[in-house]
Amino acid sequence: KQEVTQIPAALSVPEGENLVLNCSFTDSAIYNLQWFRQDPGKGLTSLLLIQSSQREQTSGRLNASLDKSSGRSTLYIAASQPGDSATYLCAVRFQGAQKLVFGQGTRLTINP
Amino acid sequence: NAGVMQNPRHLVRRRGQEARLRCSPMKGHSHVYWYRQLPEEGLKFMVYLQKENIIDESGMPKERFSAEFPKEGPSILRIQQVVRGDSAAYFCASSTDRVDGYTFGSGTRLTVV
Repeated sequence: KQEVTQIPAALSVPEGENLVLNCSFTDSAIYNLQWFRQDPGKGLTSLLLIQSSQREQTSGRLNASLDKSSGRSTLYIAASQPGDSATYLCAVRFQGAQKLVFGQGTRLTINP
Repeated sequence: NAGVMQNPRHLVRRRGQEARLRCSPMKGHSHVYWYRQLPEEGLKFMVYLQKENIIDESGMPKERFSAEFPKEGPSILRIQQVVRGDSAAYFCASSTDRVDGYTFGSGTRLTVV
């Protein structure tokens, strides 16, 4: 069964710290992987999209890496700010499918 | 470019009524996907449609739920005879033919009372 898991479920850190969110998936045959941000009661905002042929993508203070062979992706957030507080979702499009399979998310709190 | 538009943003229905959720994909996107997010849970795939065709409905409950994406107009997710367990946030996403990344709408929050 194709599943996506995110750990930890929740993370609270002081402002200014660098942090890593983890995502693992059960099948290495993926088409792409996408990281989203969701604010409470809001929709999903796409942060980074990594194609299966890529190892990483960067946008500002965010860096996402992909290791297909080990079934893992990480989202690195540098110099965290209170405005980064949100739930971060990892979603995988597996080969042969059009739909996304989501992890349960990591609820991030950045304390001023 | 207005992005993926969903309406209504909030919908309250009494048990037994029908709920109709609408989704207009981004301009240039011909693929629509519906996902459901139950309280304190992750997003679960429901159905994938292209214009006038249901491509994958493997995540749709067998009864009371249906979806369409007509040649003209928005995609509609229809829930008949709603029950309290249908209370959730319903998200629509769209993509191009290349399915190179998905854009999500702001969701419809359905509350069944």
